Amino acid sequence: QKEVEQDPGPLSVPEGAIVSLNCTYSNSAFQYFMWYRQYSRKGPELLMYTYSSGNKEDGRFTAQVDKSSKYISLFIRDSQPSDSATYLCAMSEGNNRLAFGKGNQVVVIP
Amino acid sequence: DGGITQSPKYLFRKEGQNVTLSCEQNLNHDAMYWYRQDPGQGLRLIYYSQIVNDFQKGDIAEGYSVSREKKESFPLTVTSAQKNPTAFYLCASRKDNQETQYFGPGTRLLVL
Repeated sequence: QKEVEQDPGPLSVPEGAIVSLNCTYSNSAFQYFMWYRQYSRKGPELLMYTYSSGNKEDGRFTAQVDKSSKYISLFIRDSQPSDSATYLCAMSEGNNRLAFGKGNQVVVIP
Repeated sequence: DGGITQSPKYLFRKEGQNVTLSCEQNLNHDAMYWYRQDPGQGLRLIYYSQIVNDFQKGDIAEGYSVSREKKESFPLTVTSAQKNPTAFYLCASRKDNQETQYFGPGTRLLVL
C-alpha cells in the first residue's frame, strides 16, 4: 500500500461548482498536511498548510484533516476556469521529507 | 524578488552524456531538494540537503549526483548511468523548523 493515495482524476466540473478533492494515507505519524496547485509545465505552488487535525479556510479554499480516518480534503468553492490545474496533496511526519500523492487533475468548464 | 530559479527550462541530453541542472534560491532557506516528476507517478525524491556540504540520497538516487557547496545553490547532475532520464525535474527549498517546501519552475529533460 502506498503511503499516500490520491485519485488522479481527471475531475471535470462546471464553473461555479464546488470542487472536492481528497487523499488517504497509511502513516499515522503524519502531522503536517499540505495542498499544492500545479499548472501545466510549471512548478507546484503551496496552496494550503494545516498542522494536525481540523479545518483551515483561505478565501474560496478549505482544507480539512481527519487524522482518526487518515483522510484529508480540499474544497474549492465557486470554482473558476483559472482553478483548472493538478492538485497535489503532501504530508510529513516532521522528518523534513514530504510524501506526495500522485496528483488530481481538475478541469473547470466555463 | 525572492524565489527559486531553475535553469535551463529545457535540456536535451545525448546518449552517454552527463548534464547538469541548476537550482538557485535567494530565500535564505536551509534545506534543498530535487524531485523527478513523471506522468502518473507523482513526485519522487532524488536527493536532498539540509546543510552546506552535506546531502542524502532520496528514493531514486541511482544515476544522479549532487553537490551543495553554497547555501543558495544545489545543482543536480544526471549521469550517463541514468538510463531513463526523460522527466520534469523540480527543485524545492525549505526553511529550517518549517515543513512546507517551495518549488522552482522546473526543468524538462529530453533525450535525443
